Amino acid sequence: EVVLTQSPATLSLSPGERATLSCRASQSVSSYLAWYQQKPGQAPRLLIYDASNRATGIPARFSGSGSGTEFTLTISSLEPEDFAVYYCQQGSNWPPVTFGQGTRLEIK
Amino acid sequence: EVQLVESGGALVQPGGSLRLSCAVAGFKFDDYSLHWVRQAPGKGLEWVSLITWNGGNTYYADSVEGRFTISRDNSKNYLYLQMNSLRIEDTALYFCAKDCCETSMVNNYLDVWGKGTTVTVSS
Repeated sequence: EVVLTQSPATLSLSPGERATLSCRASQSVSSYLAWYQQKPGQAPRLLIYDASNRATGIPARFSGSGSGTEFTLTISSLEPEDFAVYYCQQGSNWPPVTFGQGTRLEIK
Repeated sequence: EVQLVESGGALVQPGGSLRLSCAVAGFKFDDYSLHWVRQAPGKGLEWVSLITWNGGNTYYADSVEGRFTISRDNSKNYLYLQMNSLRIEDTALYFCAKDCCETSMVNNYLDVWGKGTTVTVSS
């Protein structure tokens, strides 16, 4: 099973700042990695797939990079609605599909 | 509008059974694989199961293998999860989700989610 480790667990930033979230895989997943955003009481929303492709309707301030075992989600300038929990997910070596434990992005 | 609506969640005793349903609308149902994902209270996301677009293949997490069965009815646009021998650790919000992007294959990205249905296993 591929274990995804996200860091940091919590990130405290202010609106307008740049956010950098990391995801490390226990073995290579090539570029088969996605990022999701989840707000309280809501279902997750797909942001990025194939490591760097934005899903439909996702603003350009969200970008993804990486391959192999190291991945990054960057939010270039935080908007108030971006404060949420973010999960990475791999679909390369499956089953099972696996998720990271999440990074909580909170307002400083 | 693409929409997935789960139902069937309930309070059930350990060892009991439950069947979850997911009604789907807004896309060609039999073109896409479908997933179940769960989230225990205050915890992260856990993938549970996948069924391919034609129902020909199913896959499970080790934690539910042999106890849960995923199925779909392509004539009714419904996805199901039959849950047997339920355990306290199965308590969670269960989401159904559509597999993304390419038709008639497994992409393992989940681009449309329902709001979830709550399963509580307790005596």
